Amino acid sequence: DAMVIQNPRYQVTQFGKPVTLSCSQTLNHNVMYWYQQKSSQAPKLLFHYYDKDFNNEADTPDNFQSRRPNTSFCFLDIRSPGLGDAAMYLCATSRAGGGQPQHFGDGTRLSIL
Amino acid sequence: KQEVTQIPAALSVPEGENLVLNCSFTDSAIYNLQWFRQDPGKGLTSLLLIQSSQREQTSGRLNASLDKSSGRSTLYIAASQPGDSATYLCAVCSAANTGNQFYFGTGTSLTVIP
Repeated sequence: DAMVIQNPRYQVTQFGKPVTLSCSQTLNHNVMYWYQQKSSQAPKLLFHYYDKDFNNEADTPDNFQSRRPNTSFCFLDIRSPGLGDAAMYLCATSRAGGGQPQHFGDGTRLSIL
Repeated sequence: KQEVTQIPAALSVPEGENLVLNCSFTDSAIYNLQWFRQDPGKGLTSLLLIQSSQREQTSGRLNASLDKSSGRSTLYIAASQPGDSATYLCAVCSAANTGNQFYFGTGTSLTVIP
């Protein structure tokens, strides 16, 4: 089945140690999104790629960056994780154009020691 | 900016009951509204998608309605089962030059008691 795959499911890193989360898709969708979700909160959009064009949300901290080397893969890099960055990170994809649904991966739970 | 609100925040019902979850949004200029289910520690599973031109969508025991002019959507779950226990999120899709923009509510946490 075509799907969105996030690796790893659980990631533990140390305070200040860079970490990279991975997302891949077999749906061939133009748009890929990264969300941060903290406990009992709504997913918060960090940024998204429309093809190769990167679009950052205004309130996304500089600590968070992303790379999309090709259509299938997208990475979330956290340069210097702080305790407040512990959260579930969700990757989603959609086709471009109005009215297209989002498809989500299972998420990566990030813990900071 | 679009704001999405879900009421109630938590709901507990006995097995077999029918129930309604509510979602409201402030800007009626949307492409679609999507209902998701999220189990603890997991990602989001899409349940139903309603396009802005539609009034409702049905899938099994689930029925979602949309009243775009009033900024409301409901998710109706018939004959609830313990396996329905999860958090239910709604998300509205608005246009953006750089791809669709999705705005989420904080969800309703549903517990179905056997």
